Amino acid sequence: AQTVTQSQPEMSVQEAETVTLSCTYDTSESDYYLFWYKQPPSRQMILVIRQEAYKQQNATENRFSVNFQKAAKSFSLKISDSQLGDAAMYFCAYRSAGTYKYIFGTGTRLKVLA
Amino acid sequence: GAVVSQHPSRVICKSGTSVKIECRSLDFQATTMFWYRQFPKQSLMLMATSNEGSKATYEQGVEKDKFLINHASLTLSTLTVTSAHPEDSSFYICSALITGYSNQPQHFGDGTRLSIL
Repeated sequence: AQTVTQSQPEMSVQEAETVTLSCTYDTSESDYYLFWYKQPPSRQMILVIRQEAYKQQNATENRFSVNFQKAAKSFSLKISDSQLGDAAMYFCAYRSAGTYKYIFGTGTRLKVLA
Repeated sequence: GAVVSQHPSRVICKSGTSVKIECRSLDFQATTMFWYRQFPKQSLMLMATSNEGSKATYEQGVEKDKFLINHASLTLSTLTVTSAHPEDSSFYICSALITGYSNQPQHFGDGTRLSIL
């Protein structure tokens, strides 16, 4: 069975600085998708970024980028120029290509300090 | 686009009551929807996959008679917590896949906080 591990329960970053959130996963599959979701205090899950396993190029979305290391089964999220609105719980999620179901990590709470 | 609406956002009721939560895709059709449960400061745990026009698929350990799911249309899935007890208190979140775009990410509703007294 696949598992997703987020080893950092909480992280802090100074406004305008850069922070990296870690995510590792375990799978025997070669075709899958990885996601980072943000859950602000309003509790709605918002997609931050996604990565297809077959793509070698790391996904980027404005200030958000990932470091996808397939062999190491690592999928970290880098947030550049952190803003107060980035404060939230961040969840890493795995989805096998053969199913629609997500497996979520336990989350990392990001605090942004003014 | 791809807005998912959940109703109600919060419900407080007495033990023994049945509670219905609605999940609607507002601007797209969703053949497949998902129901999650989230305990405080914990991750989302998938409860069941809801398929339009057919029975839901429940995850191991989830009581199907306790958590009734109905997906009668392409834009609406409902979760009914039957005879709710305090241990059912939790945050319930639904998500949806756009029909025909199953490789796209799930779109989440904003959740329902259920408190059973």
